[in-house]
Amino acid sequence: GNSVTQMEGPVTLSEEAFLTINCTYTATGYPSLFWYVQYPGEGLQLLLKATKADDKGSNKGFEATYRKETTSFHLEKGSVQVSDSAVYFCALLKGGKLIFGQGTELSVKP
Amino acid sequence: SQTIHQWPATLVQPVGSPLSLECTVEGTSNPNLYWYRQAAGRGLQLLFYSVGIGQISSEVPQNLSASRPQDRQFILSSKKLLLSDSGFYLCAWRGLAGGLTGELFFGEGSRLTVL
Repeated sequence: GNSVTQMEGPVTLSEEAFLTINCTYTATGYPSLFWYVQYPGEGLQLLLKATKADDKGSNKGFEATYRKETTSFHLEKGSVQVSDSAVYFCALLKGGKLIFGQGTELSVKP
Repeated sequence: SQTIHQWPATLVQPVGSPLSLECTVEGTSNPNLYWYRQAAGRGLQLLFYSVGIGQISSEVPQNLSASRPQDRQFILSSKKLLLSDSGFYLCAWRGLAGGLTGELFFGEGSRLTVL
């Protein structure tokens, strides 16, 4: 079946450090891929998306590239800020349903 | 612009009591609607989704049910809550304009604690 696997957290970084959160997926065909972010006590917000192989989604300094050959959609940011502290969810859309990974908690210290 | 509202935001209920969480969407027609649950320290699990009035698909067997009495209204219910029903419930919608690749938009969530 369709599934998403994310690296486990929590991830703790210092401000201005480089961030990578790994995400791999299992699905038939070409699902759309997403990263959502959840700030403490809030719902989910779309961070970025990619709809076909080799697409790069980007937003607020975050980037992720849809890699069909490795079935991956890793999230990266060159310099994190304290305000980036949140839980990040990788997800795929297939058959009208959004399937999430387990989420990765990021904590950025000043 | 489209907006999604969920209520109540916080709910504390005793075991065995009924539940009703409501979600409404504004500014769009015939959206796909979804209920997700986020248990403490875990990811999001799809509970129900609906492609139209009265059309509900259940993803996992459980103590909950969903209804869609109007195009932009989605209700999550239970007749008798269990301790394991505690969690953060999120409603979401997806517009047809997004096509097959359209993302979901989420409400602010309803936190349910069953005691």
